[in-house]
Amino acid sequence: EAQVTQNPRYLITVTGKKLTVTCSQNMNHEYMSWYRQDPGLGLRQIYYSMNVEVTDKGDVPEGYKVSRKEKRNFPLILESPSPNQTSLYFCASSLFPGVNGYTFGSGTRLTVV
Amino acid sequence: RKEVEQDPGPFNVPEGATVAFNCTYSNSASQSFFWYRQDCRKEPKLLMSVYSSGNEDGRFTAQLNRASQYISLLIRDSKLSDSATYLCVAWPSNYGQNFVFGPGTRLSVLP
Repeated sequence: EAQVTQNPRYLITVTGKKLTVTCSQNMNHEYMSWYRQDPGLGLRQIYYSMNVEVTDKGDVPEGYKVSRKEKRNFPLILESPSPNQTSLYFCASSLFPGVNGYTFGSGTRLTVV
Repeated sequence: RKEVEQDPGPFNVPEGATVAFNCTYSNSASQSFFWYRQDCRKEPKLLMSVYSSGNEDGRFTAQLNRASQYISLLIRDSKLSDSATYLCVAWPSNYGQNFVFGPGTRLSVLP
């Protein structure tokens, strides 16, 4: 089944403890992207990648890192999480967003205490 | 001004009603547009692309007005299962830039 898989689905962590949210797609998509969604603020892009080793900042990149060493994987790294990073995170992939739109993963609900 | 704006709603309509959502975008160079639906706490799912000539998919019709920089989504004969948040998306033409989502409009279809 063609899909975008994120893990974990739920995560509670403490301030400052490094964490990684994994994202994998099996559709051979070029583009991958991370979004966060917060009440009243909608979906905001964190980082995106157009291909292996090509990443760029979205609208809210502060406090996050990404890497794209392989086409299928696009992990999101929080080196030192803070409570303002408590959010619902979505990974997405696309062959070409302008034509095909994005396919989203099921989301990761992160709580930083 | 936000790049993509939508009426926040909520829209509460009875089953069988016709409901229309509007969305405006500020980047005149935007090339592609989409409508997504999102159920509560779930991932957004692509509903339909929006083409210059307008397009229809069953009960759903999307239209684009480039001169006025807005897109619309019309849902006819609404069902209870249409209750969701509808997100408008614009894709800028600048190579490398990515999707910009509107804040979404919540629809509740009532029995």
